[in-house]
Amino acid sequence: DAGVIQSPRHEVTEMGQEVTLRCKLISGHNSLFWYRQTMMRGLELLIYFNNNVPIDDSGMPEDRFSAKMPNASFSTLKIQPSEPRDSAVYFCASSPALNTEAFFGQGTRLTVV
Amino acid sequence: QQQVKQSPQSLIVQKGGISIINCAYENTAFDYFPWYQQFPGKGPALLIAIRPDVSEKKEGRFTISFNKSAKQFSLHIMDSQPGDSATYFCAACLLFNNDMRFGAGTRLTVKP
Repeated sequence: DAGVIQSPRHEVTEMGQEVTLRCKLISGHNSLFWYRQTMMRGLELLIYFNNNVPIDDSGMPEDRFSAKMPNASFSTLKIQPSEPRDSAVYFCASSPALNTEAFFGQGTRLTVV
Repeated sequence: QQQVKQSPQSLIVQKGGISIINCAYENTAFDYFPWYQQFPGKGPALLIAIRPDVSEKKEGRFTISFNKSAKQFSLHIMDSQPGDSATYFCAACLLFNNDMRFGAGTRLTVKP
């Protein structure tokens, strides 16, 4: 398996534009996590899913952020409209059921200008 | 929202020295405590983990010490090497629903 695959690796967009980040889970994994990493706040959990169902989205900064799992192997994180303070590296991670090791993708570096 | 507090924020150690990173948590329901290692441009990767029923776990040069009563745990890197230079994250997890919360990270630099 190629591991967790995130796209794009880098995204530069103008303030106010919609941004969609994508994540493909490792086959057979049941949990999906979205994290945001910044120098100031470290690694913050935004939202996580178990079996396609959102379990906790309390980390989502505000209504501009939304995440979906249209199927068991794929997830999107959308920011609309984007703002400069959203600039960060966004990671998704997946883990198998009943196993707590989270396997991270390589991240998407988002820059909002 | 930070459920896991990690210190120090950055650490510089000489080659061969001991690196120590500390974490504390509040929620006594956490029942799994992993440490992740992240190199620049990469996602974090699992390094070592411990369950609260043991006080210490050692894997090679890496040791986790766990103090359940104090709600603290730490990572010790013995004989630190320049290749250990990375950002280290502690985490606390609820096994029943896979909820995993990370500390803010420690940037370790091991000088040759």
